[in-house]
Amino acid sequence: GQQLNQSPQSMFIQEGEDVSMNCTSSSIFNTWLWYKQDPGEGPVLLIALYKAGELTSNGRLTAQFGITRKDSFLNISASIPSDVGIYFCAGRYGSSNTGKLIFGQGTTLQVKP
Amino acid sequence: GAVVSQHPSWVICKSGTSVKIECRSLDFQATTMFWYRQFPKQSLMLMATSNEGSKATYEQGVEKDKFLINHASLTLSTLTVTSAHPEDSSFYICSASLRGRRELFFGEGSRLTVL
Repeated sequence: GQQLNQSPQSMFIQEGEDVSMNCTSSSIFNTWLWYKQDPGEGPVLLIALYKAGELTSNGRLTAQFGITRKDSFLNISASIPSDVGIYFCAGRYGSSNTGKLIFGQGTTLQVKP
Repeated sequence: GAVVSQHPSWVICKSGTSVKIECRSLDFQATTMFWYRQFPKQSLMLMATSNEGSKATYEQGVEKDKFLINHASLTLSTLTVTSAHPEDSSFYICSASLRGRRELFFGEGSRLTVL
């Protein structure tokens, strides 16, 4: 079945540093989504990517949809303490409303003030 | 983004009882909703796809008789955990997308603890 490999599994960085995480898949997706999840809450959508090669920013966050459609990365610039949380990549295939969303294993980010 | 709300946010029940979790799309109609389960320190695992007016589609390994899904309207899907056992304790999260859009929006999650 579909598998997403997300790395790194965890990161402990100093405030102000940049962060990079990525996901690779054994299969092709037509949508890549990046979410952040805080403890005890549902995932919150950060960035959505719709086509191969697309590069999208949301404030200090930048994500790209890989050319092969099998990978994506998320960068966070100038990290701040509130960036702490678990970041998930997710790939979606199929039609717009019924396509399943498959999640990566998550990257736990800790930021030291 | 679209708003998806779940209720209850947490529930504690005795082993053998059934628990119902509601998922509502507050400002849009959702013909399809998805139910996920998340164990501590793990990722979200898709349990089933809930289709309005028809039977849900379950992922491999998910017991349809144990996890009953009813999508009776375009804004409400319910997940009922029947005869719950301690191993069913988990964080259950639903999601939905706007018609024609590929982003999925998630509810706040419902934490089930079975004693």
